Amino acid sequence: ETGVTQSPTHLIKTRGQQVTLRCSSQSGHNTVSWYQQALGQGPQFIFQYYREEENGRGNFPPRFSGLQFPNYSSELNVNALELDDSALYLCASSLRTGTDTQYFGPGTRLTVL
Amino acid sequence: GQQVMQIPQYQHVQEGEDFTTYCNSSTTLSNIQWYKQRPGGHPVFLIQLVKSGEVKKQKRLTFQFGEAKKNSSLHITATQTTDVGTYFCAGPYAGNNRKLIWGLGTSLAVNP
Repeated sequence: ETGVTQSPTHLIKTRGQQVTLRCSSQSGHNTVSWYQQALGQGPQFIFQYYREEENGRGNFPPRFSGLQFPNYSSELNVNALELDDSALYLCASSLRTGTDTQYFGPGTRLTVL
Repeated sequence: GQQVMQIPQYQHVQEGEDFTTYCNSSTTLSNIQWYKQRPGGHPVFLIQLVKSGEVKKQKRLTFQFGEAKKNSSLHITATQTTDVGTYFCAGPYAGNNRKLIWGLGTSLAVNP
C-alpha cells in the first residue's frame, strides 16, 4: 500500500452538479497530481500541486479546479458536471515536483447520470 | 502532439509463456516509467529508466530503454496468473515537465 488515501470511493452525480474529491498524500510527499482515467484508457493528467500552488496543468477546462492544504492533502473540484466526466479519478503523491515516481491512491469512481 | 503508443493492446497467454509489451514515443524522453494496474485497482509503480540503452531486471521482469530514448519494452518470462493486469508506460511531456503522458496500456490475461 502507498499510504495515499482518497474519498469517497464511489460517487453518483447528475449533469450540472458539482463534486469535490479528496486525497491525502503519502507522508513526506509535498506534491500531489490528479488524473482522470476513463474506462480502457491510460490516466490523463489534470494538474499538479506543489506546496499549495498549482504548478502544472493538462488539457482540462477551468471547471476542473483544485486545492492543496498546508498538510499537503488535496481536493479536486469539478463544476457543471458532464456525462463525459464519468471516470476513475486518481490522486498520486510524489516526493518531488515534476514527473517523479507517482504513488497512487485507490481512486474515486465518479458516475454522472 | 506528443504521443506515447503501446502495443499490443491486449495479450492472452498460457501460464508459463513469455510476454512482451512495447512502448513508443513520438519524441525523445528524459525518462520512462512503467506501471501495473490490476483489474479494479490503481496504477502501481514498477520502475523508471533514465539512461539510453538501459536494461533493468526485477525477478521475471526485464525492462529496456532504447538507444534513442524513444522506445521501451517490458518482457515477462514464464508468466504467472499474478501477472494479470494492464501495463502502462509513461514519460514526461516535452512542453510541461510536470505532466506525464501515458500510453493506453497493454492488458495481459494469463490462462492457468
